[in-house]
Amino acid sequence: SQQGEEDPQALSIQEGENATMNCSYKTSINNLQWYRQNSGRGLVHLILIRSNEREKHSGRLRVTLDTSKKSSSLLITASRAADTASYFCATDAYGANNLFFGTGTRLTVIP
Amino acid sequence: NAGVTQTPKFQVLKTGQSMTLQCAQDMNHNSMYWYRQDPGMGLRLIYYSASEGTTDKGEVPNGYNVSRLNKREFSLRLESAAPSQTSVYFCASRPVSNTEAFFGQGTRLTVV
Repeated sequence: SQQGEEDPQALSIQEGENATMNCSYKTSINNLQWYRQNSGRGLVHLILIRSNEREKHSGRLRVTLDTSKKSSSLLITASRAADTASYFCATDAYGANNLFFGTGTRLTVIP
Repeated sequence: NAGVTQTPKFQVLKTGQSMTLQCAQDMNHNSMYWYRQDPGMGLRLIYYSASEGTTDKGEVPNGYNVSRLNKREFSLRLESAAPSQTSVYFCASRPVSNTEAFFGQGTRLTVV
């Protein structure tokens, strides 16, 4: 499988806490992206980090990328109940036009 | 601006029946994708089309065919449905490779 692996599979935290989820992948990449999926809905793009970048911020989101370890992490700070969703990483493999997704982390934020 | 539109939203098929899932985007995107989502498996790429007139297999193409009818539309066909094809199917599009993808709302397919 070309899918990435995400860890943990499920995460439950209290509102206001930070949430960290990790993604590992297998191939050389051009970029790595993170998406969010609310229950029963389509995926929504959150952030894209290119292979020559190490860290990127967008609002309460912080993404890191370590290409030597083929891994990325997504940090959501000061979580809210509305952040409850599944989060997926996706990789754009070098030299290809396909987009492969990880298995996802299900985040529950308890009010 | 509708984005990516999938039809139908729900479908129940009997084993052996055929059907076509429709996808259309109004963002003038070159690349389009079909995924299936199963519990615990994340999204798996079935087929993709880098540009009008081209299609390529993804991770799990067996049992499916696709047609890139024009720049807007990318359909997925199940010729002889099997229970193993019970899943939620998502269509996505993006301008070109290495950009963000936009997803439809999904088609929930049950094969009995």
